Amino acid sequence: SAVISQKPSRDICQRGTSLTIQCQVDSQVTMMFWYRQQPGQSLTLIATANQGSEATYESGFVIDKFPISRPNLTFSTLTVSNMSPEDSSIYLCSVVGSSYNEQFFGPGTRLTVL
Amino acid sequence: KQEVTQIPAALSVPEGENLVLNCSFTDSAIYNLQWFRQDPGKGLTSLLLIQSSQREQTSGRLNASLDKSSGRSTLYIAASQPGDSATYLCAVRTSTSGTYKYIFGTGTRLKVLA
Repeated sequence: SAVISQKPSRDICQRGTSLTIQCQVDSQVTMMFWYRQQPGQSLTLIATANQGSEATYESGFVIDKFPISRPNLTFSTLTVSNMSPEDSSIYLCSVVGSSYNEQFFGPGTRLTVL
Repeated sequence: KQEVTQIPAALSVPEGENLVLNCSFTDSAIYNLQWFRQDPGKGLTSLLLIQSSQREQTSGRLNASLDKSSGRSTLYIAASQPGDSATYLCAVRTSTSGTYKYIFGTGTRLKVLA
C-alpha cells in the first residue's frame, strides 16, 4: 500500500484568495488524482495529475480555477484559485498502486471559504 | 456515461446484525470495483478490491461480491460492531479513450447501535 500525506489538513480562507494543497506519496506512482467532496456528497474527480505534462481535467473543472503541478512521481499540488464559498469542500488526492491497481487516498484537506 | 448508485443511502442497525450494502453501476465494462469506508471528516480507507475477473473478495468480517453482467456489487458485513459506523463508498474503474478514471457511488451511511 501507499502512504499519502496532505498539507494543510484544513484551512479557513477569505473569498477571492487562493490556496495550494500539497500531496506527498512515500513511493513512486504513475497515476495520481485530485478529488473534491462537497458537504454531504460523494467524491467528484477534478483531474488526473500527469507527471511532466499538463493535467487532464474532468468536465466542469478548468485549469485556470484548479491549476495542478506534478513535478515528479511522488508529489503533486492542487491550487484552488479565486475562491468563493462554493469551493468549501474536502479535497483529496489519491494514487493507484502498481500492484492490483488498488486506489489509496490521502487524509484530505478541509477547506472553508468565508 | 457510467453512473454508480448505492442503496440504501442510510442504515441503522443494532450491534451484532449481519448486513448487506448494495452498489449498482450502469456500464458493465469495468476494470475493477473497490469498496471504501470514510469516517466523518476523514479520508477514505480501502476495504476490498475486486478485479473484473473475480466474483468475490473477503477480508475478516467483510465479503464483497461482483456480478458484472448485472452491474451489481454487494458488501456483506458480518456481526456488525459500533466501530463499523461510517460511510461506505464503492467506486468502479473505467476507461474512456484510453484514460482510466474512477467513478464513485453516492455512499451508504451506516450506524451500528450498541
